[in-house]
Amino acid sequence: AQSVTQLGSHVSVSEGALVLLRCNYSSSVPPYLFWYVQYPNQGLQLLLKYTSAATLVKGINGFEAEFKKSETSFHLTKPSAHMSDAAEYFCAVRGYSSASKIIFGSGTRLSIRP
Amino acid sequence: GAGVSQSPSNKVTEKGKDVELRCDPISGHTALYWYRQSLGQGLEFLIYFQGNSAPDKSGLPSDRFSAERTGGSVSTLTIQRTQQEDSAVYLCASSLEGGQQNTEAFFGQGTRLTVV
Repeated sequence: AQSVTQLGSHVSVSEGALVLLRCNYSSSVPPYLFWYVQYPNQGLQLLLKYTSAATLVKGINGFEAEFKKSETSFHLTKPSAHMSDAAEYFCAVRGYSSASKIIFGSGTRLSIRP
Repeated sequence: GAGVSQSPSNKVTEKGKDVELRCDPISGHTALYWYRQSLGQGLEFLIYFQGNSAPDKSGLPSDRFSAERTGGSVSTLTIQRTQQEDSAVYLCASSLEGGQQNTEAFFGQGTRLTVV
């Protein structure tokens, strides 16, 4: 069964600093991978997704993630944090078959220090 | 519709009462999910409907929880004899059929359930 592990329930960075949110997946074959963001008091929205077309995926708001099969990782990065990036971030995995559901990680809360 | 619609947006109920939560997915989406998000917690998978296949109910926490999807579209999540620990935001999402490139889930705004 597929699963994802997000390392660090809370990450705090200074404004302008690099953002790195970690996600490792468990799957017998490379799956579909997603990062979602949930801003305070808002619904979940898709940041970016990996569908095997390219290992480096660019998303909205300057975020990107790199799929590394050898490390079974899909870490999310942003070169320079902005105050508006403060939110909860969720990594998710889905297999290729139509019977495969989307499973979410436990989430990482990102705080930005002025 | 343009997006996933959930109703009600808020529900306060007394302990022991039954509640029904509704989800109207994006038109044409064959997959529908229910998740639960408790305060400060991640997304807990509850149930997954995919086309005409038998639903994946592996995430339902107890037999007080059930869900149905009528006509491959609207879904209702029912919680019987509600308990205080059922208080959470219940999220519905829909997506195209698995195995395709455009396979991400689109979420509704959720129903905030409070059991008093």
